[in-house]
Amino acid sequence: GAVVSQHPSWVICKSGTSVKIECRSLDFQATTMFWYRQFPKQSLMLMATSNEGSKATYEQGVEKDKFLINHASLTLSTLTVTSAHPEDSSFYICSARLTGTEYNEQFFGPGTRLTVL
Amino acid sequence: GQNIDQPTEMTATEGAIVQINCTYQTSGFNGLFWYQQHAGEAPTFLSYNVLDGLEEKGRFSSFLSRSKGYSYLLLKELQMKDSASYLCAVLDSNYQLIWGAGTKLIIKP
Repeated sequence: GAVVSQHPSWVICKSGTSVKIECRSLDFQATTMFWYRQFPKQSLMLMATSNEGSKATYEQGVEKDKFLINHASLTLSTLTVTSAHPEDSSFYICSARLTGTEYNEQFFGPGTRLTVL
Repeated sequence: GQNIDQPTEMTATEGAIVQINCTYQTSGFNGLFWYQQHAGEAPTFLSYNVLDGLEEKGRFSSFLSRSKGYSYLLLKELQMKDSASYLCAVLDSNYQLIWGAGTKLIIKP
């Protein structure tokens, strides 16, 4: 089946530093990838939709200059949290859409737990 | 606005049956998904319904009524490993997933 990986699986950083998270579709090409954030005991919140070769579409309230998304190839999207602060600590999950299937299913990566000290 | 409602938490006994309900109001409808999410892990796909009726897959079944904006996930022969959050999500007219807040299912021996 379709597999999506994320790296790193967890990261601890100091306040003010930047962190890059990679999302890869391992056995299929994904023109569209999604980035989600999930705080404890809350549901997934869509941050942005990443389209290969074009600018990402950000959801309302998500700062595009703080959460930089690059989808440079059909198998890789990256999310960079710039100047991270403790309130950015969260579980970040990416998903990749497999087109051409019955319902264009999204396959999720394992998630990245970010802790900002 | 778009809205998906599901109970926050449910408790059931090992070996029993539990039904998790989901109601939705979305701009358009292109299908409804159920996902299972264990603590600290990403969601995993359980089922997809786009037509009315019941879809059965092993111990799990999912039902959809589009006219009522209603779905349920039925879990039979509950096992301790079924303790997790169950997320209902609707694919809207733009093929964007709208997520419910999830139902935390606690299984007791």
